[in-house]
Order: sequence, then structure tokens, then C-alpha cells
Amino acid sequence: QKEVEQNSGPLSVPEGAIASLNCTYSDRGSQSFFWYRQYSGKSPELIMFIYSNGDKEDGRFTAQLNKASQYVSLLIRDSQPSDSATYLCAVNTGGFKTIFGAGTRLFVKA
Amino acid sequence: SQTIHQWPATLVQPVGSPLSLECTVEGTSNPNLYWYRQAAGRGLQLLFYSVGIGQISSEVPQNLSASRPQDRQFILSSKKLLLSDSGFYLCAWSGLAGGQLETQYFGPGTRLLVL
Repeated sequence: QKEVEQNSGPLSVPEGAIASLNCTYSDRGSQSFFWYRQYSGKSPELIMFIYSNGDKEDGRFTAQLNKASQYVSLLIRDSQPSDSATYLCAVNTGGFKTIFGAGTRLFVKA
Repeated sequence: SQTIHQWPATLVQPVGSPLSLECTVEGTSNPNLYWYRQAAGRGLQLLFYSVGIGQISSEVPQNLSASRPQDRQFILSSKKLLLSDSGFYLCAWSGLAGGQLETQYFGPGTRLLVL
């Protein structure tokens, strides 16, 4: 069974610090990877996607992908209290199948 | 730009009652459409997806069904709700209009409580 694993947290970081969120996946043939942010009681919103090994930066967010290790991460620089949310890792395993992790709760302390 | 709507936003239904949740997408044509359920503190469970009118694929055998009567309309139904049907129901779309075919964008969701 194809799986996406995330530490449920909560991950607590002080304001201004770097938050590091990690995700592993089981299907070695996975090709596209996504990070979503979900505030309590709201629907997930896309932060960014990554397809190639290495880093991809978008503002304060950096996604990192290592296909050999089947590992994808999200770094949030200069964390703000408004970044407090659950972060979902999602992996497309081909076609229309995207598997979502259960999410990591992030708490940024002011 | 594309927008996705879901209604109702919240719903409280008795066990054994029917269900109909609706999702519509604006600003794109021939989107792929998805229904997910998210139980409290859990990940997203894919229920159904559709690549076109009348084309429905079911991922999990259960008490629910889906239909796509129009290109940008996706409906989730049940004839008799169970307690275990409670959860947060999310509709999503993907397609070339979103930039990358596999990238999914979610609607605001419907919170269903079955009592």
C-alpha cells in the first residue's frame, strides 16, 4: 500500500525561526510532490509543488526533494504566528492518484 | 481565474437520512474532479474522482456515490447516512488551467455531522 508519512507534531518554533517539516513516501515511482497548508476548520491551500531533486524556493518557503531517499521537506524561514497551521504533504503516484499525509501541526510562538 | 464552490458549508443529519453535497467549478473546462473525506485529525481519504461527464471512479467501497451531470458539477450522495459518514468533505479540481495537471485545488468544504 502506497503511503505518505509525516510527524503529527505539534512542532513548536519561536517567531522568526526556521520551521522544518518532513515527509517520507513509499512509492519509489512517485513523480510530483506538493505541500498544502490547512488552517483549523478550513480547506487545504496549495503552498508549492516540486518535481525535481533539489531545492525550490518561493518567498519564505523552500521545498526540498530527495528521490533516492524518498524524502521531501518544507522549510519556512522567518516563521510568523500566521504560519501556525497543519501542513499536508501530498505525493502523486501517477495518473489521478494523489496520496496525502495526515499532516504536521506547526505552532509559531510570538 | 478558477474558483470552486461547495454547499452547504455545514450539515447536521440524522442516521438513515439521504445526503446530497454539491460542488461546482468556474473558470475552467473539462477539469478533473475529486471528492475527499477528512476525519478529525486524519489525512485526506480519496472517495471518488472523475475525468469527464458521467465518468466516475470509486476508490473506497462504501455508503456513498458520486455523479457528474455537467462538466463542472460534481455531486456526492448517499441514500442512508451512517454515523461513520461524519467528517469534512472536500471537493477538488485539477487540470491544465491550474498550471500542472496533477495539482489539486480545494473548495471550502462541507462539514457533515451525522447524529
